Amino acid sequence: DTEVTQTPKHLVMGMTNKKSLKCEQHMGHRAMYWYKQKAKKPPELMFVYSYEKLSINESVPSRFSPECPNSSLLNLHLHALQPEDSALYLCASSQAVGTADYNEQFFGPGTRLTVL
Amino acid sequence: AQKVTQAQTEISVVEKEDVTLDCVYETRDTTYYLFWYKQPPSGELVFLIRRNSFDEQNEISGRYSWNFQKSTSSFNFTITASQVVDSAVYFCALDSNYQLIWGAGTKLIIKP
Repeated sequence: DTEVTQTPKHLVMGMTNKKSLKCEQHMGHRAMYWYKQKAKKPPELMFVYSYEKLSINESVPSRFSPECPNSSLLNLHLHALQPEDSALYLCASSQAVGTADYNEQFFGPGTRLTVL
Repeated sequence: AQKVTQAQTEISVVEKEDVTLDCVYETRDTTYYLFWYKQPPSGELVFLIRRNSFDEQNEISGRYSWNFQKSTSSFNFTITASQVVDSAVYFCALDSNYQLIWGAGTKLIIKP
């Protein structure tokens, strides 16, 4: 299995809602990533998990809360989002972090989030 | 500073034409990796190639080829005999330790 799956594909939420994005991989990768991508822009790194521990937080607002329950699963909990948070949220995984030799990142299909 | 420049915002060609997407990078690292990703309208980022800084050999994979030149800090991507299915946004990226430094992307439109 060489894919990263993400659910849901689309999500519409109000500013007072609480929702979660889910990402899963079964490639035995030990690094997982969340990216945010606005239209016509490259992905922006949000969080990096290495061996189930948060290793990088790129100054993301606290209304985004990541969670890594196990090595195959990565969640992104959303609360009190703003309309400008509407974007494509991409999850990725790689064998490891910090060792470029293994840093080929495999991306999921993304969740298209709309905040009303 | 680490930087990746894709100067071509959008390229439009007719099917079967050859097309080259440019990528210029800046880094002070002696060891680094360069990548190309394809993002079709569906949104998923598809890995195309990884090249390390010590391997300047050009690579060919079917209709795709890559020209890596350290002397000009470029890693260009050529599609020969383009097809409509090649229409997508293509990103060049530089690996800097734990994260990818992305170019702005080039939108490629292949007209039938």
